[in-house]
Amino acid sequence: GNSVTQMEGPVTLSEEAFLTINCTYTATGYPSLFWYVQYPGEGLQLLLKATKADDKGSNKGFEATYRKETTSFHLEKGSVQVSDSAVYFCALIGPGGGADGLTFGKGTHLIIQP
Amino acid sequence: EAQVTQNPRYLITVTGKKLTVTCSQNMNHEYMSWYRQDPGLGLRQIYYSMNVEVTDKGDVPEGYKVSRKEKRNFPLILESPSPNQTSLYFCASSLLPGETYEQYFGPGTRLTVT
Repeated sequence: GNSVTQMEGPVTLSEEAFLTINCTYTATGYPSLFWYVQYPGEGLQLLLKATKADDKGSNKGFEATYRKETTSFHLEKGSVQVSDSAVYFCALIGPGGGADGLTFGKGTHLIIQP
Repeated sequence: EAQVTQNPRYLITVTGKKLTVTCSQNMNHEYMSWYRQDPGLGLRQIYYSMNVEVTDKGDVPEGYKVSRKEKRNFPLILESPSPNQTSLYFCASSLLPGETYEQYFGPGTRLTVT
């Protein structure tokens, strides 16, 4: 079956630091890959996605590149802000439509200190 | 405003007392699903629905029921709740299943079963 592995944290950084959250996956074929963000007390929001190998998803200064050879989709941001404090989930949908929904990693709690 | 709403947001109940968590979306989406979020486990899908009167089990369906009598509503029913169903529940919807269509998440329902 499909699975997603990501660092769980918490990850604590100072404001303006460089961020990397690692995500690797196991899936049959070539899935589509996603990063979701969950701010305190809220539901999940789509942050970015990539649907094929070597695609780069980007949004709000965050980036992730779909690496087929390493089955990875690491999230990066060059300079984090306190407002980026949240839980980040890596997820995938298998090829073929994904009627059974997203497969999520366990989530990474990010804490940015001023 | 396009949104997914859930009610109640917080619920404390006792073992065995039937309860229903409602979910409604105003985007005319065909696909809806329920997830539960537990610490260290991430989000896991409970049930999903491809359209009215079409539902199917996700990864953790035991102890839950759903119905889809109208396109906009997808209630989650716990016939006899148990303490291991204490969790944070999210409803999600998308126009169609699969990677092309973004899933929109509700704000969550925090359920405690004593």
